[in-house]
This record gives sequence, structure tokens and C-alpha cells, in this order.
Amino acid sequence: GAVVSQHPSRVICKSGTSVKIECRSLDFQATTMFWYRQFPKKSLMLMATSNEGSKATYEQGVEKDKFLINHASLTLSTLTVTSAHPEDSSFYICSARDRATGGNTIYFGEGSWLTVV
Amino acid sequence: GDSVTQMEGPVTLSEEAFLTINCTYTATGYPSLFWYVQYPGEGLQLLLKATKADDKGSNKGFEATYRKETTSFHLEKGSVQVSDSAVYFCALSDRDTNAGKSTFGDGTTLTVKP
Repeated sequence: GAVVSQHPSRVICKSGTSVKIECRSLDFQATTMFWYRQFPKKSLMLMATSNEGSKATYEQGVEKDKFLINHASLTLSTLTVTSAHPEDSSFYICSARDRATGGNTIYFGEGSWLTVV
Repeated sequence: GDSVTQMEGPVTLSEEAFLTINCTYTATGYPSLFWYVQYPGEGLQLLLKATKADDKGSNKGFEATYRKETTSFHLEKGSVQVSDSAVYFCALSDRDTNAGKSTFGDGTTLTVKP
């Protein structure tokens, strides 16, 4: 079946550096991808909607200059956490809409654990 | 807006006990409903889904029925195992509006003791 791959699955970075997380649809085209964040012992909150070829739409309260989203192709969206701080440590997960099914089928990646030290 | 309300945890059961985790939703459109499972230190896995009223999703002994009249999608398993210990998330994806965005419940932590 369809698979959404996230990379890296776990990453540790130093405070002040930037880290990029990739979300890739492996066998389908995704015009839209979504990025979520999970705070410790909390649910997953939508951060932004990533549309191929256009700017991402951010949810209220999410800093667009800190969480840069690029959706350069129909199979790849990236989330870059810029100038990371320990409070950015979290679980980040993406999902993708399958274009071929009219966008009604959503697949999630397995997520990326980010630790900022 | 859309919302999902899950039974609060944590839930602790003995092996082979019956499991129910309640989930109700509100949605402006006609959503698809999902249960996801997250094992300790791991990512999110789709457990089961239902896309229309009266559909029953099932997987690995877990079941949930899409009840439009009660706006519910309760998760059940007849006999839990220690390996079922995880966090379970109920979620919806509204196809008519905000198509593709998923709204999650707060998650229910299940611990199964031998």
C-alpha cells in the first residue's frame, strides 16, 4: 500500500542550529501534506498545511519563520526547524493526501523525534 | 470547528480483559474516522478506519463502528494482550471542508498487565 516516509526518524541537534525533516510519499503524488507536532503526553496538533508549489498555510500560533516548510515537488515536503531551542524538542509527524483518490485518502509518516540539546 | 473527545486515561487492564475506549466527535462536514496507535518511543500507526456511517473498521482484534446518530467511534477489543500497551488516538479527517486535515483526540494510554 501507499507509504509515507519521514527522515530522519530520530535526530539530536545542538541549540542554535537548524534541522531539516523530510516527508516523502513513496508511491503516490501528494498535492497537499500536513505537519503536526506532539508535545509530551499530549495529542498531535496541526502546525501547517503544505501545498505543492505554493506557500504553506500555518495554524494560529505557529511561527512561520521558525518552522520553514517547503513543498517543492508532488512527493516531497520538508520542515526546517531554524535556530532550534530545547523547547522545540518534540515529535513531528507529516501526513499526505493521495491526489489520485481525489484527496480523500490520507497517509501518515511514522514521525520524527527531535531532541535539541 | 471539528473536535474529537476521547475517554480520559490512563487505562490499566489485566491480560485477556475486555477493552473499550470511548470516542465522540463533532464535525462540520462528513468525516472519515480513524484510530491510531503509538507504541512507546515509536511513531504513529493506523490501526483501523471507517469512512461512512455504520462502517466497522477492524484490525488485530480491535473494532470500531462509525455511529453517525451518536457521533461516536468507540474502540473495542475482546481480549487484550500485554503487547497492546500503547497510546491510542481517535481522529477524524473532514473530507468536505478542510479536506485532509486531521483532528486528534488527546490520546488514551493503555497499560495491560500480565
